[in-house]
Amino acid sequence: EVQLLESGGGLVQPGESLRLSCAASGFTFSDNVMTWVRQAPGKGLEWVSTIGTRGTTHYASSVRGRYTISRDNSKNYLYLQMDRLRAEDTAVYYCAKGGETPSDYWGQGTVVTVSS
Amino acid sequence: EIVLTQSPATLSLSPGERAILSCRASQSVSRYLAWFQQKPGQAPRLLIYDASNRATGIPARFSGSGSGTDFTLTISSLEPEDFAVYYCQQRSDWPPLTFGGGTKVEI
Repeated sequence: EVQLLESGGGLVQPGESLRLSCAASGFTFSDNVMTWVRQAPGKGLEWVSTIGTRGTTHYASSVRGRYTISRDNSKNYLYLQMDRLRAEDTAVYYCAKGGETPSDYWGQGTVVTVSS
Repeated sequence: EIVLTQSPATLSLSPGERAILSCRASQSVSRYLAWFQQKPGQAPRLLIYDASNRATGIPARFSGSGSGTDFTLTISSLEPEDFAVYYCQQRSDWPPLTFGGGTKVEI
């Protein structure tokens, strides 16, 4: 059974950093593109970042230069390092299997709140 | 950036009725369009990929059609559990991957 479990969310002040993790199981992690998607309170879905199987990365313009996506294929973990956080980064962050391919499995999300 | 426009924003229907949701792309996405269902407090769930292919475990009452710039998600007979928000997403020309604004199907 495919499982994706996000962690690392929390309440931080503007300008601070946070690192999200996503533990993957039930599939060959290293063979799959992985993606982060976020959803601000009461809003729709917004793509954040995707990492390919060989480590190629892509970012939304709203986070480029502040966020860094990475993966550890030996541990089956996906990460999102978020620096210089802003109030508008407040959202539920989901990790999803796929991106370049259809995102067929999603985690339950982790909540990030940026507020002073 | 490809913009996806979903209509209507809200669809008010009764169980047993047919729901027809639209997604229009600002430029052709070929058939690289997916549909997701999201219920309150839950993660999105993939329903349809590549315009018309049902994902694993998705009931046959869900069907997708279209190509190029115009796509439709049809729910043939609404069940109580189908009342949710539906999003389309394109993966034809990315980055960025883009989502539509969503259609809420309400009772």
